[in-house]
Amino acid sequence: DADVTQTPRNRITKTGKRIMLECSQTKGHDRMYWYRQDPGLGLRLIYYSFDVKDINKGEISDGYSVSRQAQAKFSLSLESAIPNQTALYFCATSDPGTHYMNTEAFFGQGTRLTVV
Amino acid sequence: QKEVEQDPGPLSVPEGAIVSLNCTYSNSAFQYFMWYRQYSRKGPELLMYTYSSGNKEDGRFTAQVDKSSKYISLFIRDSQPSDSATYLCAMIGTGTASKLTFGTGTRLQVTL
Repeated sequence: DADVTQTPRNRITKTGKRIMLECSQTKGHDRMYWYRQDPGLGLRLIYYSFDVKDINKGEISDGYSVSRQAQAKFSLSLESAIPNQTALYFCATSDPGTHYMNTEAFFGQGTRLTVV
Repeated sequence: QKEVEQDPGPLSVPEGAIVSLNCTYSNSAFQYFMWYRQYSRKGPELLMYTYSSGNKEDGRFTAQVDKSSKYISLFIRDSQPSDSATYLCAMIGTGTASKLTFGTGTRLQVTL
C-alpha cells in the first residue's frame, strides 16, 4: 500500500458543486500539504498543516478549505467548484527529523479534477 | 516575478547524452536545495538534496549549488530512456524562505 493515499484519483464535477479530496498517510508525519499542479505553473501550495491544530494558508488558498481530522488525514474542499480549479492535486507529507530544513516531501499519486 | 524560475522545456536528448537542468532563485534565504523527479501520472519523488553551496554526486546524477549566483543545476550523465520525466527543483530556508518552494519543472525526453 502507498504511504500517502489520495481519493478519488479522478473526478469530474460541475460548476458550483462542493467537492472534497481526501488524503491519508501511514508515515506518521506531522506535516501535511495540499498542492495543485498546472502546466507551466509547477506545484503551488494551497494549504499546509504542521500538526492537527495548526493549519495555514498557502499561496493560492482562495476558493479552498481544509480539515485536519487526525494526524494521518488531511482533506481539501472546494466549496463551489469553478472551471479554473481544474488541475492535478497532490497531497504530501514531511517530517523535519533532526534537521529542521530536512523537508523531504512524500507525495500521493494525485487527484485529477475536472470542473465543467 | 517568481521566487524560483525553471525552464519548462521540453528538453529532448539522445540516449547517452549529458543533460543539464537549471533553476535560478531570488530569495537569498534559501539554504536547502532539492531535485524531485516526476514520472507521468505519478507524484514527485525526491532525487537529490544539497545543503548550501557546493556539489553532490550520486551515481549518474550531480547536483550543484552556487549561492553567489543564486543558481542550481542538476547534471545527468549517460542519460537513459528511463530518465525521461519531469524534473522539479525545490528549495527551503529560514524566515521568508521557510516554506518548500518548487520550480515549474523541466520535462526531459531521452530518445533511443
